[in-house]
Amino acid sequence: NAGVTQTPKFRVLKTGQSMTLLCAQDMNHEYMYWYRQDPGMGLRLIHYSVGEGTTAKGEVPDGYNVSRLKKQNFLLGLESAAPSQTSVYFCASSLAGGLSGEQFFGPGTRLTVL
Amino acid sequence: SQKIEQNSEALNIQEGKTATLTCNYTNYSPAYLQWYRQDPGRGPVFLLLIRENEKEKRKERLKVTFDTTLKQSLFHITASQPADSATYLCALDLTSGYALNFGKGTSLLVTP
Repeated sequence: NAGVTQTPKFRVLKTGQSMTLLCAQDMNHEYMYWYRQDPGMGLRLIHYSVGEGTTAKGEVPDGYNVSRLKKQNFLLGLESAAPSQTSVYFCASSLAGGLSGEQFFGPGTRLTVL
Repeated sequence: SQKIEQNSEALNIQEGKTATLTCNYTNYSPAYLQWYRQDPGRGPVFLLLIRENEKEKRKERLKVTFDTTLKQSLFHITASQPADSATYLCALDLTSGYALNFGKGTSLLVTP
């Protein structure tokens, strides 16, 4: 099993450009999450999904959109990138939330917006 | 507001000693708390989960305590090794019932 994979690993964008980050998991997990991690800020939840076709906002959703068309994939979109979105983005998945909520993380995507 | 606080100062200890990391939270009564390890350039890795009705949980050299009165969890690594050097994150569900909120993490450095 590959676990949680993220594409791409690195990306440099110019302000105003758009891009989509792809997260895939092969563990048949229901829940998937997108976080961003910035120095001194820790991991912050952007959006999450509790099942195929569902999405919900996390702590810092502004400027991002997500889609969960297939159970194994969770896409994070930046429609018009801003320098404030320079960060490391982590995707995670879990079998369920709550007490079963051990999360499995991907390796991260390092995004720089110039 | 609800907060999760971990010591922002790095913890430096000598190999073989016990490392103790602290996680405090405010204005909430979580049903459980989790600890993760993160190495530089990598995603966090789950270590332990402790429920509100459990005072203590152990896994090999790791021990976690959970004091709901003090609103605090302690994470211990006994007989620490240089390979234990990493950032340790605590996490609990503050809001949604589905997702986790993470502390900023404490960096641990174990020197030979």
